Amino acid sequence: DTAVSQTPKYLVTQMGNDKSIKCEQNLGHDTMYWYKQDSKKFLKIMFSYNNKELIINETVPNRFSPKSPDKAHLNLHINSLELGDSAVYFCASSQAGRNTEAFFGQGTRLTVV
Amino acid sequence: GDSVTQMEGPVTLSEEAFLTINCTYTATGYPSLFWYVQYPGEGLQLLLKATKADDKGSNKGFEATYRKETTSFHLEKGSVQVSDSAVYFCALREIQGAQKLVFGQGTRLTINP
Repeated sequence: DTAVSQTPKYLVTQMGNDKSIKCEQNLGHDTMYWYKQDSKKFLKIMFSYNNKELIINETVPNRFSPKSPDKAHLNLHINSLELGDSAVYFCASSQAGRNTEAFFGQGTRLTVV
Repeated sequence: GDSVTQMEGPVTLSEEAFLTINCTYTATGYPSLFWYVQYPGEGLQLLLKATKADDKGSNKGFEATYRKETTSFHLEKGSVQVSDSAVYFCALREIQGAQKLVFGQGTRLTINP
């Protein structure tokens, strides 16, 4: 059983298109995240939801819109894709708390052409 | 904000060599500290963690000790294997606000047979 699963694994699309990435966790966690990993492997948090409430919203273009229909799901919708959006996007989940680790999905490699 | 700094990579070693990957942090208070590993094409996996000063985290032959005096959490392994080739990330969880996970820039490790 996959703990944190995201789909699709690969996404190739043209500039200007709108796309979504879906994430689901079956760990019973109350907090979910989206991270962006660039070509140099640098990881940057984008968003975090706790019990469906947005708690972290880093400096991200408003073309990126997260949606959390319930505690187990956090989707990422991206409008008007740009070349610079090409990256690997990771979903993660954890229990809230200062000592807890996050569990990561396999990543979605987004390529904008 | 809190931050994590790792030694520059890439690091290349021969099998059975001793490994150290340095990690230092800047933080308010005493955050929990983590090491994650990312194998090619995969998501991040927790390798080990420590939640308070002088704690030692260990897993799969890897160790790291939480040193508050030097604000460090260096990763060590006595004898590396080819299968340890991966990217290693040091991270902390902030103790204030949204308690987000903050990652270092990652260190790519290659082990040659």
